[in-house]
Parts: sequence; C-alpha cells; structure tokens
Amino acid sequence: EIVLTQSPGTLSLSPGERATLSCRASQSVSNSYLAWFQQKPGQAPRLLIYAASSRATGIPDRFSGSESGTDFTLTISRLEPEDFAVYYCQQYGSSPRTFGQGTKVEIK
Amino acid sequence: EEQLVESGGGLVQPGGSLRLSCAASGFTFSGHWMHWVRQAPGKGLVWVSRIKSDGGSTAYADSVKGRFTISRDNAKNTLYLQMNSLRAEDTAVYYCTRDRKYYYYMDVWGKGTTVTVSS
Repeated sequence: EIVLTQSPGTLSLSPGERATLSCRASQSVSNSYLAWFQQKPGQAPRLLIYAASSRATGIPDRFSGSESGTDFTLTISRLEPEDFAVYYCQQYGSSPRTFGQGTKVEIK
Repeated sequence: EEQLVESGGGLVQPGGSLRLSCAASGFTFSGHWMHWVRQAPGKGLVWVSRIKSDGGSTAYADSVKGRFTISRDNAKNTLYLQMNSLRAEDTAVYYCTRDRKYYYYMDVWGKGTTVTVSS
C-alpha cells in the first residue's frame, strides 16, 4: 500500500499569498496517477488536479500541480477567500487507492 | 448534469446491517468504475471499495473486507454498499464516486450519506 504524507498539517496564510502544499509518496506512483481534492466544511471533495499536473474542468489556473519523483506539490498562486479549505492528495495508480491525511489552509 | 445521490444512511446498532444506495444520472453509468469513500467525523478521506463497470470485479479496504459488499445494477443506474457486522469505527459520511472513464481518477462525487453506529 502506498502511504501519502502531506505537509504541513495546517498552513496559515492571508488572501493574495502563495500556498505550497506537499504530498510525499512512500513509493513510486504509477503513471503519475496523483490527484488533488479540495474539501470545504459540510461539502463533498472536489477534484482540482489529476495526473499530477492536469487541471480538472472549471478549475482556475491559480491552481497548479507538479511532480518530482515521489514528491508532489499543489500550488495556489494567489489565495482567494474561497480557497481556504482542506486539501487532500490521492494516488490512483495502484490498489488500494490511498489518500493523504490532508492539509488545512486557514486564514491568517 | 452528471450527478450522484446517496441514500440509506442512518443510525444502526453495533453488529447491525445497512444498505447504502447511490443513484447516478446525467451520464452512462454502465461505462464507469465506481467507488465508495468514507470520512469519519473530523477525519480524512478513506477509500472503502471499488467495482468495475460490468460488476465483474470488486476490491475492498482491509478494514471492511468480509463485512461489506459492493454491487451495482446498471439497468437501474444504481450503486450499492451492503454493510454487515457494523462497528462503531464504521461511523462516517459515505461518499459515492465515479472514475473518469479510461483515466481512473475520481471526477464526480455525491454529497454523501451519514452512517452512525451506536447503541
């Protein structure tokens, strides 16, 4: 089973700032099958990024994903008020599919 | 609009059973792998189970193997999760999700249904 470790646990930032979220896999993720989801309180997760760096339909271009070996990064270039939420990475290249524990982006 | 709507959650005693349903609309249900993902109160997302498009292959998390059964009725555009021998640690919001065809990432999620296991 691939373990995904997200850091930091909480990121305290102000609107307009840049957010950098990390997701480290315990082993290689097949085909770069790594996705990022955003979840707000009381809502279902929403797909942001798939295949490590491809934006899902309707996702603003301030969200971007990158990959370096087993390290994956979600970057929000300039935080908007609606971006404060919890973010999860997930690998779907092998079974069982696994999620990271989440990073909360909160308003500073 | 592509949509998934879960139902069937509720309060059940430890050792009891519950069947969740997920009604799909707005897309060709029979063409997609489907999953159940759960989230315990205040916790993260955990994959529970997967079924391939024709129902011929299933997979389960170790924590539910032997207790939960995933199934689908492609004629009714509905996904199911039969949950038996429920435990307190099964308490969670259960989400139904769809895999993007050919690409396998979870692109559509339902709003979830809440299962509470308590005496």
